Amino acid sequence: AQSVAQPEDQVNVAEGNPLTVKCTYSVSGNPYLFWYVQYPNRGLQFLLKYITGDNLVKGSYGFEAEFNKSQTSFHLKKPSALVSDSALYFCAVRDTSGYNKLIFGAGTRLAVHP
Amino acid sequence: NAGVTQTPKFRVLKTGQSMTLLCAQDMNHEYMYWYRQDPGMGLRLIHYSVGEGTTAKGEVPDGYNVSRLKKQNFLLGLESAAPSQTSVYFCASKGQGEVGYTFGSGTRLTVV
Repeated sequence: AQSVAQPEDQVNVAEGNPLTVKCTYSVSGNPYLFWYVQYPNRGLQFLLKYITGDNLVKGSYGFEAEFNKSQTSFHLKKPSALVSDSALYFCAVRDTSGYNKLIFGAGTRLAVHP
Repeated sequence: NAGVTQTPKFRVLKTGQSMTLLCAQDMNHEYMYWYRQDPGMGLRLIHYSVGEGTTAKGEVPDGYNVSRLKKQNFLLGLESAAPSQTSVYFCASKGQGEVGYTFGSGTRLTVV
């Protein structure tokens, strides 16, 4: 079955430090991968996506993600965290079985402390 | 502004009541999806549609029905609401040949 795993329920990081939010996936074929962010009581905001090409993808708000095919991972990173980055982050993969369904991970709550 | 609009934004229902959530998109997208978001479980697909007049079950379809009579609208119905359906519901759409998805702002539903 196709799936996405976010192994950490919460990630804590000090402001100014680098952050990583982990994501691994399981799909057949070439994956289309996405990261979304959700601020409290808000909808989903698109951060970045990987379709093909360069394994390092740059997105909004200074975030980037590294696609690693051999490890089936797509970790979200940022060189210097801000308190305002505190939010819920979702990794998602497009179902390759058809109909373009998005499969989401359970989400990781990022807490950036001053 | 082009996008996905969900109505209502908030609703409180009593157990056994029925209601319909509306998702409307003005981008001429073929694909539309209904998800529910629950703490620690991410977003789970309820039903989806690949075009006007078509619907299909997703991961958690029980207790819900959907209709897509017009291409721009995707309705999610709860015939007899249960407390287990307390959740935040998101609608999304995607165009044929496009990569990205557009999400609505969500509907927070509480069933008491």
